[in-house]
Amino acid sequence: EAQVTQNPRYLITVTGKKLTVTCSQNMNHEYMSWYRQDPGLGLRQIYYSMNVEVTDKGDVPEGYKVSRKEKRNFPLILESPSPNQTSLYFCASRDRGIHEQYFGPGTRLTVT
Amino acid sequence: KNQVEQSPQSLIILEGKNCTLQCNYTVSPFSNLRWYKQDTGRGPVSLTIMTFSENTKSNGRYTATLDADTKQSSLHITASQLSDSASYICVVSAKGNYQLIWGAGTKLIIKP
Repeated sequence: EAQVTQNPRYLITVTGKKLTVTCSQNMNHEYMSWYRQDPGLGLRQIYYSMNVEVTDKGDVPEGYKVSRKEKRNFPLILESPSPNQTSLYFCASRDRGIHEQYFGPGTRLTVT
Repeated sequence: KNQVEQSPQSLIILEGKNCTLQCNYTVSPFSNLRWYKQDTGRGPVSLTIMTFSENTKSNGRYTATLDADTKQSSLHITASQLSDSASYICVVSAKGNYQLIWGAGTKLIIKP
């Protein structure tokens, strides 16, 4: 089954404790993205990647890092999480061109 | 500045009724426009994708229209069902730019 998976689905952590949210897709898509969604706001792009070893900042990259060492994986790293990073995070992937974008199930992160 | 605005912000209708959601954009040069459905706490799911040359596209009871001259799109839902309760998000892509510009969404509630 074609899908985007994220782990963990839920995470509660404390300020400053480094964490990684994993994202994996099995559709051989070139493009992958990370978004965050906060109440009353639309999805905001954090980082995106157009291929292996090619990443770029989205609209809200501060406090986040990403890497794309393999085509299928695109982990999101929070080196020193802060409470303002409490949010619902989505990973997405799509193929090059005008194609449907597939989203993961989301990771709900709480930073206390 | 590239922007996508949706109206209304929220809408409540009775089951079985039709409704139309609006999207205005200022993205230029235009590449494509997408409508997504997002259930609460879940990732968005694509409903339609339209390019410049397409002015209408259907997906079951969902019909999207696009007027590239006035930079407006609408999503019409026919014979609404309780499962249509969700947020509907309009997303526009500019030519030559991988990034998608997201609207804030319309929250639709269907009442029995």
